[in-house]
Amino acid sequence: SQELEQSPQSLIVQEGKNLTINCTSSKTLYGLYWYKQKYGEGLIFLMMLQKGGEEKSHEKITAKLDEKKQQSSLHITASQPSHAGIYLCGADGSNFGNEKLTFGTGTRLTIIP
Amino acid sequence: DTGVSQDPRHKITKRGQNVTFRCDPISEHNRLYWYRQTLGQGPEFLTYFQNEAQLEKSRLLSDRFSAERPKGSFSTLEIQRTEQGDSAMYLCASSFSVGQGKEKLFFGSGTQLSVL
Repeated sequence: SQELEQSPQSLIVQEGKNLTINCTSSKTLYGLYWYKQKYGEGLIFLMMLQKGGEEKSHEKITAKLDEKKQQSSLHITASQPSHAGIYLCGADGSNFGNEKLTFGTGTRLTIIP
Repeated sequence: DTGVSQDPRHKITKRGQNVTFRCDPISEHNRLYWYRQTLGQGPEFLTYFQNEAQLEKSRLLSDRFSAERPKGSFSTLEIQRTEQGDSAMYLCASSFSVGQGKEKLFFGSGTQLSVL
């Protein structure tokens, strides 16, 4: 079965600083999803990556899927308090067309004003 | 369209009781998923529907769990004879797919179940 490891598990950064979260898979990734979750809430869709080398950006968040398709990174530029939360990567190690995902355990991001 | 809606948001029940959760997906979405999330963990896949057909069930879904999507729109997840280990956040998600590719998966706010 596929396993996803996220690093770091938690991150505390000062407002305005840049940060990177990594997601490493034990198998080839056919679809890599990034979500943000506030404590006790549902998951907010951030980005989906499918092709090796793909990079997507939304506002100050950029996600990349490496060429070998076994690792993804999420980069936040000039962090703000609104970026605080738990970031989860989810992936499917199968090329079959559904969204049955395995998730990492998350990275808890705290922003210090 | 307000996204994926789940009801109730919170449910407290006594061990041995039955509970039922409801999920209303985004209206045009043909796929509906149920996931379960425990504290400090990522969500775990339970089951999914393509329209009204339940296509896959995880081993996590014991015989006490049943899910339905009778008209291909809303879905219900029932847990019979609840146990304390069932305490978790139950998340519903939906997507729209017309082929073999992967699509954006949108989640609801979840139902937090506490079994006393």
